[in-house]
Amino acid sequence: DSGVTQTPKHLITATGQRVTLRCSPRSGDLSVYWYQQSLDQGLQFLIQYYNGEERAKGNILERFSAQQFPDLHSELNLSSLELGDSALYFCASSQGARQPQHFGDGTRLSIL
Amino acid sequence: GQQVMQIPQYQHVQEGEDFTTYCNSSTTLSNIQWYKQRPGGHPVFLIQLVKSGEVKKQKRLTFQFGEAKKNSSLHITATQTTDVGTYFCAGPTLQGGSEKLVFGKGTKLTVNP
Repeated sequence: DSGVTQTPKHLITATGQRVTLRCSPRSGDLSVYWYQQSLDQGLQFLIQYYNGEERAKGNILERFSAQQFPDLHSELNLSSLELGDSALYFCASSQGARQPQHFGDGTRLSIL
Repeated sequence: GQQVMQIPQYQHVQEGEDFTTYCNSSTTLSNIQWYKQRPGGHPVFLIQLVKSGEVKKQKRLTFQFGEAKKNSSLHITATQTTDVGTYFCAGPTLQGGSEKLVFGKGTKLTVNP
């Protein structure tokens, strides 16, 4: 158990819809990261937060947004969903940018 | 920006054979981290190397950090079916004044029993 909790585990929705993925970091970790992993692909970095502030952005689409709340949990919002957004979305947390990251089990998003 | 390249992308071995994956960075790294993702699972942190030329072992796994701190390798001796998965290396990079961890694309290992 990594200590990182992601909900929901699975999400099935239709094109054009909007969903919210939730992540609770490991106790004591201030940094939260979001990644997208398509089938048999690597980890595509989306965005990083540290103690409520955005710290780094990767290849995150404009249709996607995220935030980290005062209690350090984070949400990733995906809107105007397209078939190509179907993927596994991982949240990870760490104590700092150089420190090892601990991943949640992921949310598997399926767009029909 | 900084890139972390991993080779090979795929490796298929017979059980009992050795396996090595290589990681190269375009810039000097403060540390290198290795992760393993089992099929259907999430990446799990394996180890972090910090010092130039550092070598660490975990049972059949040997991790090495290059002298210039720009490359690293993971070697598995006598692979077992439990070694199946994708191995990622990752190194911190400075971007826009903030550091972030850059992951390689991973090496997917399959083991034939």
